[in-house]
Amino acid sequence: SQKIEQNSEALNIQEGKTATLTCNYTNYSPAYLQWYRQDPGRGPVFLLLIRENEKEKRKERLKVTFDTTLKQSLFHITASQPADSATYLCALDNDKIIFGKGTRLHILP
Amino acid sequence: GAGVSQSPSNKVTEKGKDVELRCDPISGHTALYWYRQSLGQGLEFLIYFQGNSAPDKSGLPSDRFSAERTGGSVSTLTIQRTQQEDSAVYLCASSLGDDQPQHFGDGTRLSIL
Repeated sequence: SQKIEQNSEALNIQEGKTATLTCNYTNYSPAYLQWYRQDPGRGPVFLLLIRENEKEKRKERLKVTFDTTLKQSLFHITASQPADSATYLCALDNDKIIFGKGTRLHILP
Repeated sequence: GAGVSQSPSNKVTEKGKDVELRCDPISGHTALYWYRQSLGQGLEFLIYFQGNSAPDKSGLPSDRFSAERTGGSVSTLTIQRTQQEDSAVYLCASSLGDDQPQHFGDGTRLSIL
């Protein structure tokens, strides 16, 4: 069956360290993958899009990798700050966009 | 406004009543999506409009749910004869096209008593 999986447990990271979130998928062949941030009571906000022919994408302190062999994307936040605390969603295209359930990230001061 | 606007932000209604949720997308965005998000769950796709094409209704959970998009802009999601399991946050998003980032509103929190 088709699945898109993100860490279901919340991730606690000390301020200043790098946070790494994982998105694994099964039985999909997406042409691209997106990452969104969602704060409580708000809609998701787009962060980065990476295409299947791109290995890595960066934006300021954010970095996304996309390994189509492992069927995995990694999302990194370097020099993490308490303001980075949120839920992060990955989404892949499969005719329409399919979202993972998200990983809650807590950056501890 | 610059972003996607949804109204109302909160709606409380009795079981069996009909509700209408509204979405004003970003001007010029041809694609419009509706999702449902229950507590602690991911986004569940409901329906997708793209330009003048027939909408993709494959995510609508029952025939009590319907949506329309008038003039390629504003969209309304209607739920008839609401049930308690319809309680959720309903999110709308718009984008410039299929492979473009989606811009979300802050949703309508629907509570069915």
